[in-house]
Amino acid sequence: NAGVTQTPKFQVLKTGQSMTLQCAQDMNHNSMYWYRQDPGMGLRLIYYSASEGTTDKGEVPNGYNVSRLNKREFSLRLESAAPSQTSVYFCASSERGDYGYTFGSGTRLTVV
Amino acid sequence: AQSVTQLDSQVPVFEEAPVELRCNYSSSVSVYLFWYVQYPNQGLQLLLKYLSGSTLVKGINGFEAEFNKSQTSFHLRKPSVHISDTAEYFCAVSHASGGSYIPTFGRGTSLIVHP
Repeated sequence: NAGVTQTPKFQVLKTGQSMTLQCAQDMNHNSMYWYRQDPGMGLRLIYYSASEGTTDKGEVPNGYNVSRLNKREFSLRLESAAPSQTSVYFCASSERGDYGYTFGSGTRLTVV
Repeated sequence: AQSVTQLDSQVPVFEEAPVELRCNYSSSVSVYLFWYVQYPNQGLQLLLKYLSGSTLVKGINGFEAEFNKSQTSFHLRKPSVHISDTAEYFCAVSHASGGSYIPTFGRGTSLIVHP
């Protein structure tokens, strides 16, 4: 099925460990996004990539890095995980923002 | 800057009753407006969107929303809800910025449908 695929679905990290969240879309969309979702906070944009080869900071970029590997893939890296990064992470893509966004099913990350 | 306010964090309703989920936004430029639904342990799905034209937009699953520019609102409605409509609903607004469209999401409204 066409869509946005995120891996892994669940992850538990110890404080200070690093990891990379993977995201891939097969809809040939230009733009890709990483959000985090916390209870009562809605979705907050971490980073986005308007097109292949570009990345920009969103609302809450501290503690994260991203790589737009190619048009299909957009990864999110936590270099030194902190408990404040415990959250559900969503990747999304869009052809154009006015068309709406397609979301992945999320990665539930717990940092202990 | 743009912002979105969803006025109710939780809306309980009985099955087959009508429901309205409220959304107000602020922006200094023309915007695009969206409603998304999130079922438990899933990602967000697009319910409907307003880009231009008719202020009443219809979406999937019998939902509709009305854009009111003077009140800067985009409320979501359904005339008769089902148990299966129990979910989190997010209002979002976006506008063009340097060739990109960056949405801002509200904090969500939890719709709880009781039998």
